[in-house]
Amino acid sequence: DQQVKQNSPSLSVQEGRISILNCDYTNSMFDYFLWYKKYPAEGPTFLISISSIKDKNEDGRFTVFLNKSAKHLSLHIVPSQPGDSAVYFCAASRGWGKLQFGAGTQVVVTP
Amino acid sequence: DAMVIQNPRYQVTQFGKPVTLSCSQTLNHNVMYWYQQKSSQAPKLLFHYYDKDFNNEADTPDNFQSRRPNTSFCFLDIRSPGLGDAAMYLCATSRAIGTAEDNEQFFGPGTRLTVL
Repeated sequence: DQQVKQNSPSLSVQEGRISILNCDYTNSMFDYFLWYKKYPAEGPTFLISISSIKDKNEDGRFTVFLNKSAKHLSLHIVPSQPGDSAVYFCAASRGWGKLQFGAGTQVVVTP
Repeated sequence: DAMVIQNPRYQVTQFGKPVTLSCSQTLNHNVMYWYQQKSSQAPKLLFHYYDKDFNNEADTPDNFQSRRPNTSFCFLDIRSPGLGDAAMYLCATSRAIGTAEDNEQFFGPGTRLTVL
């Protein structure tokens, strides 16, 4: 049972524009959410996280928004850069709990 | 630099021939994880160790075993690999079971397993 879903397998965006990645979850008990970035032939690397007590967290060009009532979170990348081309995974956990990952969204940033 | 190291990066084995994948970490983290990831799918947790306590996921096949001889090393043994076991195997670590922030997991580069 997939508790974390990323419904867009791919996203193409022009350099300098905003990238918006979406993630939906079904378990209302999740209280911590993370985004990971993965380049080919490398393991995922942590990007940004948000606790369920917040609705926004910002780190440089990356902002994560959490809408608990909709069980939805999104990652905004502004402005998008060619180096942002990667697969982005959304993950969620409950307390200390195992991370549940989404299937990922491939982002391609074009010149 | 502190890191998670996986060897080998690429492993080819024959159908039914046992194979061992290794993971080491210099982060001194209490928890180590093994994930299986198939193309275009979410990473799937196989096991995790909290220190020496082994935790198996309910749907992890018996064909998969793991060992953690010390804090730094963890091994994944596949006793009789089938064609369906071809995947990327990711090792990860985290600081401890505690606050939610401890859930940040640090991943190795993965081992790509091919079964012929």
